[in-house]
Amino acid sequence: QKEVEQDPGPLSVPEGAIVSLNCTYSNSAFQYFMWYRQYSRKGPELLMYTYSSGNKEDGRFTAQVDKSSKYISLFIRDSQPSDSATYLCAMSVGGSEKLVFGKGTKLTVNP
Amino acid sequence: GAVVSQHPSWVICKSGTSVKIECRSLDFQATTMFWYRQFPKQSLMLMATSNEGSKATYEQGVEKDKFLINHASLTLSTLTVTSAHPEDSSFYICSADSLINYGYTFGSGTRLTVV
Repeated sequence: QKEVEQDPGPLSVPEGAIVSLNCTYSNSAFQYFMWYRQYSRKGPELLMYTYSSGNKEDGRFTAQVDKSSKYISLFIRDSQPSDSATYLCAMSVGGSEKLVFGKGTKLTVNP
Repeated sequence: GAVVSQHPSWVICKSGTSVKIECRSLDFQATTMFWYRQFPKQSLMLMATSNEGSKATYEQGVEKDKFLINHASLTLSTLTVTSAHPEDSSFYICSADSLINYGYTFGSGTRLTVV
């Protein structure tokens, strides 16, 4: 079993849809959870950062962490074509420890 | 703030030659930088952790003599791919912990093609 599992998709939605992305993990020691967005041939860009369990909202993005289920989610409201990218979940044990990434989910938002 | 500059963005080299990739933190000091490799449609795989003033820590299966890492200052880490071969062709990305923003800041990546 991989440490972090993420459905690679691809996921295609119409503009304005609510998008749900998620990852599961096996290492209960993970405390820091991140979502990155990566456009083709570019480095990842940090979208959301959550410590331990709970929800965090930033504009159209909401990150949720359920440590009891070892499950994290990213919701995108009112999705836009510019949201089309690959979304990677990542997590670490400590704040400055190495990250373990999911495979990434390729999202396309159609106008 | 928290910008990481990576150079070059792409490079083509002949088999057997060496290539150096630079990673600079522009507006913060980075004690630790990370080097990743990413194959098409795959996730980022950590290659090594680069610590300023000390030897890098390599992940299992990564050849330290082939991928030389030097973190000479708090703002610069370099990755040298020595005696490159076509199988080394990949997308290489560095990241650093700015301690300003939570999470890590990534460079824009370097696409290496060995012919």
